[in-house]
Amino acid sequence: DTGVSQDPRHKITKRGQNVTFRCDPISEHNRLYWYRQTLGQGPEFLTYFQNEAQLEKSRLLSDRFSAERPKGSFSTLEIQRTEQGDSAMYLCASSLVAGRDTEAFFGQGTRLTVV
Amino acid sequence: KQEVTQIPAALSVPEGENLVLNCSFTDSAIYNLQWFRQDPGKGLTSLLLIQSSQREQTSGRLNASLDKSSGRSTLYIAASQPGDSATYLCAVSRLDMRFGAGTRLTVKP
Repeated sequence: DTGVSQDPRHKITKRGQNVTFRCDPISEHNRLYWYRQTLGQGPEFLTYFQNEAQLEKSRLLSDRFSAERPKGSFSTLEIQRTEQGDSAMYLCASSLVAGRDTEAFFGQGTRLTVV
Repeated sequence: KQEVTQIPAALSVPEGENLVLNCSFTDSAIYNLQWFRQDPGKGLTSLLLIQSSQREQTSGRLNASLDKSSGRSTLYIAASQPGDSATYLCAVSRLDMRFGAGTRLTVKP
């Protein structure tokens, strides 16, 4: 296993189009996070899953954003009717939650540019 | 709501200098704190994880401390090298994981 994998690495889309990103976590990791990061800022929390259950969703996530993790494996993040303000790096992380030990590992991110 | 602050926002030092990066958080009810490194345009690389019951962790030239009661952590980098130039981020975890804005470190040869 080579770590957390995100696809695509880069996406350029026209305003108003829908986009979908995929994240493959480290095998057997039961927790999966999505973050958004803009230039010069730290990652902003979007949502996280424990297995297939989406346990928390940030208020940053408008109705245009949806995330799924079917069967507790890979996850997808979809943005509908993209806006220029959605341009950012979208990061995925996974961890194996065992008690309070939750070391997280990140993928390389998907950079979205909305033109 | 957990707020994480990192000071300074940017730091430039000559090669070989020892340095300290600071992280503070408002809610001490955390499970652990993790330090990451991020190179430009890349994802985050985990450096050190400190459990809430621990006071410090060491890895090579890096040493991270945690004072949960006061809501503070420091990352100490010994004998800095140009290859250490990156943004350093701290994150605190309970159920979710919250980040500071990072410290952008430049080590000059």
